[in-house]
Amino acid sequence: DTAVSQTPKYLVTQMGNDKSIKCEQNLGHDTMYWYKQDSKKFLKIMFSYNNKELIINETVPNRFSPKSPDKAHLNLHINSLELGDSAVYFCASSQSGSGDTMGETQYFGPGTRLLVL
Amino acid sequence: EDQVTQSPEALRLQEGESSSLNCSYTVSGLRGLFWYRQDPGKGPEFLFTLYSAGEEKEKERLKATLTKKESFLHITAPKPEDSATYLCAVQADNYGQNFVFGPGTRLSVLP
Repeated sequence: DTAVSQTPKYLVTQMGNDKSIKCEQNLGHDTMYWYKQDSKKFLKIMFSYNNKELIINETVPNRFSPKSPDKAHLNLHINSLELGDSAVYFCASSQSGSGDTMGETQYFGPGTRLLVL
Repeated sequence: EDQVTQSPEALRLQEGESSSLNCSYTVSGLRGLFWYRQDPGKGPEFLFTLYSAGEEKEKERLKATLTKKESFLHITAPKPEDSATYLCAVQADNYGQNFVFGPGTRLSVLP
């Protein structure tokens, strides 16, 4: 059973196109995330989302938008794709705490490799 | 400025040669430090969470420790299958539930 799954695994597209990446988690978590891993393998947060709040990293272009049809899914829509969007995109999920100061472990999907030509 | 750094950038070991990886952080209000393993073409795989200085966690050949400024991932008698990139991430008051990842250490264990 895959805990966090993403589709597609590979995505090759032309500059200017609009595309979506889907993410599903079956862990019952209430918070989901999107990360971008660039060519230098650095993982950077793009969005975090639960049923209360969407937090957007201020460096993310507004061409990127997360959409959550329900608690188990967080899709990533990208408009007007650019060459620099080529990267691996990871979805992750976690269960938020009860307000204490403990951190919450995030579980990652297998990644979607996006190549913009 | 808050940041997470890891050293060395890359490490080559002979099978059985023990060593340690370092993760240094400068954040205030640490809520957790997390270690992940990432194999080529795959997503990060969770290894350990450490919450407070002095805490230690072990799993097979791996042992993670935490101080107020850094964490170490000790690898005892590594095997070739331990070859991977090891990532550390911190969660702190400034970032809510978000992680700040270090750049990773690429470990190669030669037979």
